[in-house]
Amino acid sequence: DGGITQSPKYLFRKEGQNVTLSCEQNLNHDAMYWYRQDPGQGLRLIYYSQIVNDFQKGDIAEGYSVSREKKESFPLTVTSAQKNPTAFYLCASCGGPSYNSPLHFGNGTRLTVT
Amino acid sequence: GENVEQHPSTLSVQEGDSAVIKCTYSDSASNYFPWYKQELGKRPQLIIDIRSNVGEKKDQRIAVTLNKTAKHFSLHITETQPEDSAVYFCPARNNRLAFGKGNQVVVIP
Repeated sequence: DGGITQSPKYLFRKEGQNVTLSCEQNLNHDAMYWYRQDPGQGLRLIYYSQIVNDFQKGDIAEGYSVSREKKESFPLTVTSAQKNPTAFYLCASCGGPSYNSPLHFGNGTRLTVT
Repeated sequence: GENVEQHPSTLSVQEGDSAVIKCTYSDSASNYFPWYKQELGKRPQLIIDIRSNVGEKKDQRIAVTLNKTAKHFSLHITETQPEDSAVYFCPARNNRLAFGKGNQVVVIP
């Protein structure tokens, strides 16, 4: 989807380092989401934000942090406290209430921590 | 909160046959029912959705049917092709928008 951009596509880090994943959207959407996906698994919600300067923890927020200073941007920081950070990370946005509007996903960032 | 269950977890079909996967929900107030498709290594994409005032919606080879009484909605794929092989998700409909493990569909050439 050209409207939501995640960068970089692949990211490699050493254990113990914090790393920030970028997510930018130009769809003028209020709500944004971060999901983590492990091989053969579904999507697990990390954090979500329904409006600028506000965000809530999802199901697996421990070891992650986010900010929502601008409507267009919702960066995710994977901290050294996250025990198993290697995964595929997906950012999504939604133009209305998530219970009756479709999600638009970015292409994802594949993070490898060694 | 809303709970969803997807069945079957894995479905294998011969190319050209039809595939049907079902999503059961718990919240009778739900009014929006989307299906997302995720091909291997790619992002999920919305392929079809339906609202509670409609019983069925079709888009070429795919269709979604809604049974509000039984609280489930189904994805139907006709004349399956190898590119239909993917994981299909029906996320829970609340602001947390939780996804389960999805349905794995494998089309055998």
